Amino acid sequence: AQSVTQLGSHVSVSEGALVLLRCNYSSSVPPYLFWYVQYPNQGLQLLLKYTSAATLVKGINGFEAEFKKSETSFHLTKPSAHMSDAAEYFCAVSTGFQKLVFGTGTRLLVSP
Amino acid sequence: GAGVSQSPSNKVTEKGKDVELRCDPISGHTALYWYRQSLGQGLEFLIYFQGNSAPDKSGLPSDRFSAERTGGSVSTLTIQRTQQEDSAVYLCASSEGRGPGVKLFFGSGTQLSVL
Repeated sequence: AQSVTQLGSHVSVSEGALVLLRCNYSSSVPPYLFWYVQYPNQGLQLLLKYTSAATLVKGINGFEAEFKKSETSFHLTKPSAHMSDAAEYFCAVSTGFQKLVFGTGTRLLVSP
Repeated sequence: GAGVSQSPSNKVTEKGKDVELRCDPISGHTALYWYRQSLGQGLEFLIYFQGNSAPDKSGLPSDRFSAERTGGSVSTLTIQRTQQEDSAVYLCASSEGRGPGVKLFFGSGTQLSVL
């Protein structure tokens, strides 16, 4: 069965600093990988997804993620954090069935 | 509609009562999903609808949970004889097609509190 592990339930950065949120996946077949973001009192929205095309995927709001098969990782990065990036971020995996399997989430805190 | 709509946004109930949670997906979206979000647990898959049928209901925690979808549109998640451990945010999502890379559109959720 497929699964994802997000390292760190909370990540704190200063405004302007690099954002790195970690995600490792487990799948017996080539996976589809996603990052979703949840702002306070809102539903989740898609940031980006990997579907076996380019390994470096660019998403909305300046975020990107790189698929590394050898490391079974799909870490999310952004060069310079903004206060508006404060939210909870979820990594998810799908392997051909309809349901997404989500990680436990990482809350990003951005300080001035 | 413009987005996935869920109602109520908050529900407080007493242990043992039944509750119904409603989801109105984006018009034209054939697939509909229910997830449960508990503190520190991430999102837990409950059930998936394609049209009015549910090919995958493997995530429903017990027979107290049931869901239906009518007219290929609105879905209702029913929890009978609620327990305190049912307290969570229940999220609904819909998608325009099928396939592993499909994008899900989420509603804002129903916060259920069982006293």
